[in-house]
Amino acid sequence: GNSVTQMEGPVTLSEEAFLTINCTYTATGYPSLFWYVQYPGEGLQLLLKATKADDKGSNKGFEATYRKETTSFHLEKGSVQVSDSAVYFCALRGPGAQKLVFGQGTRLTINP
Amino acid sequence: SAVISQKPSRDICQRGTSLTIQCQVDSQVTMMFWYRQQPGQSLTLIATANQGSEATYESGFVIDKFPISRPNLTFSTLTVSNMSPEDSSIYLCSVELGADTQYFGPGTRLTVL
Repeated sequence: GNSVTQMEGPVTLSEEAFLTINCTYTATGYPSLFWYVQYPGEGLQLLLKATKADDKGSNKGFEATYRKETTSFHLEKGSVQVSDSAVYFCALRGPGAQKLVFGQGTRLTINP
Repeated sequence: SAVISQKPSRDICQRGTSLTIQCQVDSQVTMMFWYRQQPGQSLTLIATANQGSEATYESGFVIDKFPISRPNLTFSTLTVSNMSPEDSSIYLCSVELGADTQYFGPGTRLTVL
């Protein structure tokens, strides 16, 4: 079945550091890929998405590129801020499927 | 995107009781989903609720424990029945809006004592 694996957290960085959160997936066909963010005490917000190979999703300074050859969708940001502290979830939706399959989440803490 | 609200935002309940969670969307949507997020865990889909048909439950979830209603295209309820402490979780509804993207409500934080 479809699955998503994220790098284990927690991740702690200093402000203005470069961020990478790894995400790899297993799926048949060409899934759609998503990053969701959950700020403390809040629900999930869609951060970015990509629906086909080599697409790059971007939002709020975050980027992720759909890599079919490595089955990856790593999240990156060049300079993180304290306000980026949150839990980040990688997810996929298989072709023709309705449900989202989530990774285990990565807790990110940014220190000033 | 859509504005999605849930009620209640949180509750503390006694074991053996039931709680009904409401999800309201500001636009008409065909597909609504209910997820569970256990403490420190990822999200797991409970069921998919389409208006005018019975909800479709994922493996490990049954209608007797999590009955769902979907009376119209903007509203759904999830009931957590005969609760136990293991049901303590955040329950989230989501809707699908164009281009296979799901948007989530703020969640209902349930604690069962």
